[in-house]
Amino acid sequence: GQSLEQPSEVTAVEGAIVQINCTYQTSGFYGLSWYQQHDGGAPTFLSYNALDGLEETGRFSSFLSRSDSYGYLLLQELQMKDSASYFCAVREGVDSSYKLIFGSGTRLLVRP
Amino acid sequence: DTGVSQDPRHKITKRGQNVTFRCDPISEHNRLYWYRQTLGQGPEFLTYFQNEAQLEKSRLLSDRFSAERPKGSFSTLEIQRTEQGDSAMYLCASSSGPGNTGELFFGEGSRLTVL
Repeated sequence: GQSLEQPSEVTAVEGAIVQINCTYQTSGFYGLSWYQQHDGGAPTFLSYNALDGLEETGRFSSFLSRSDSYGYLLLQELQMKDSASYFCAVREGVDSSYKLIFGSGTRLLVRP
Repeated sequence: DTGVSQDPRHKITKRGQNVTFRCDPISEHNRLYWYRQTLGQGPEFLTYFQNEAQLEKSRLLSDRFSAERPKGSFSTLEIQRTEQGDSAMYLCASSSGPGNTGELFFGEGSRLTVL
């Protein structure tokens, strides 16, 4: 089976930096994805890490350590519009499955 | 609009009734996924197709649930004899292959309320 752990809620101030952690346990592993979902909206893709290290996309960065089964999403220069839920998701390396398994999400509240 | 579209966006039904949802994926995408999401939770995998073949189905999925993708294009998800516990947002997503970058394109979802 598989499990993903991430904090349920994080609060930060506009302009600050916030890190959302994700630890996972899977039968196999291909990569870790991050998604953003605003209330009432669809999940939207942010980043994907298949190899160890940091991937940067604008204000968002994502990190993966395969040996530690750990990753994080880093959001810089926080804006009010970043208030949303953030999900980590893993693609298991079982039978070439392409499904993603999602964590329960971290709700980020950005305060003025 | 060339994104993933789902229909209907909202469905209210009485317990015991059957409901069907439709998903039209991005046209060049060969993989299609169904997820279910309840308030405060992440999307829960239900099933996925590669072209017209249903390659995987969640072990947690009741046999009241069935999905089809008859010509490898649009898909339908049917729930028979609905129960109140089926109330959720049903999300469809698509992606292209071969290979995988962990990116799924989600539709806006079909919200089901079972009374």
